[in-house]
Amino acid sequence: GESVGLHLPTLSVQEGDNSIINCAYSNSASDYFIWYKQESGKGPQFIIDIRSNMDKRQGQRVTVLLNKTVKHLSLQIAATQPGDSAVYFCAETPDQTGANNLFFGTGTRLTVIP
Amino acid sequence: NAGVMQNPRHLVRRRGQEARLRCSPMKGHSHVYWYRQLPEEGLKFMVYLQKENIIDESGMPKERFSAEFPKEGPSILRIQQVVRGDSAAYFCASSPRRGDQPQHFGDGTRLSIL
Repeated sequence: GESVGLHLPTLSVQEGDNSIINCAYSNSASDYFIWYKQESGKGPQFIIDIRSNMDKRQGQRVTVLLNKTVKHLSLQIAATQPGDSAVYFCAETPDQTGANNLFFGTGTRLTVIP
Repeated sequence: NAGVMQNPRHLVRRRGQEARLRCSPMKGHSHVYWYRQLPEEGLKFMVYLQKENIIDESGMPKERFSAEFPKEGPSILRIQQVVRGDSAAYFCASSPRRGDQPQHFGDGTRLSIL
């Protein structure tokens, strides 16, 4: 079965520093990857996504890197702000199987220190 | 605001009672996904529905759990004869078409079993 996991369950960074959150996946057939941010008491909020035919994608203050060789995904947040404090999940889906459900990792709790 | 709406936000039930969780997808979305999240864990897929059809229920327990998405009205996740282990946050996500990503999530229903 598919599994998505994260290397670090918690991460603390100083305000203004860059944050890097890592994620490993095991299904080499995974075609689509997505990062969600979840604040306490709320649902997952879309941050950024990437398909397997790309290795990098940038958004506003966020960058996702995909290394298919080692099945590794990372989320980089530039100039981390207190509002970035949340739990971050990576998720993946093997689109080519017709499956649409997302497989989530355990999550990394990011704490921004003012 | 035409986001995914879930109600109730909090639901308390005693063991043996029934729980009904409702999800109204984003406007124009006809595909609904239900996920369950235990504390400090990632979301786990339960069931994927299109209007009047269950597409994939591979993540849903075979007993006591059922889901529907009628032609009119919200999608319903129903849990019969609830047990303490059903305590979790239940999230609904929607998309406009099969295979469309990202999925957009509601803020969930927190189910507590006494």
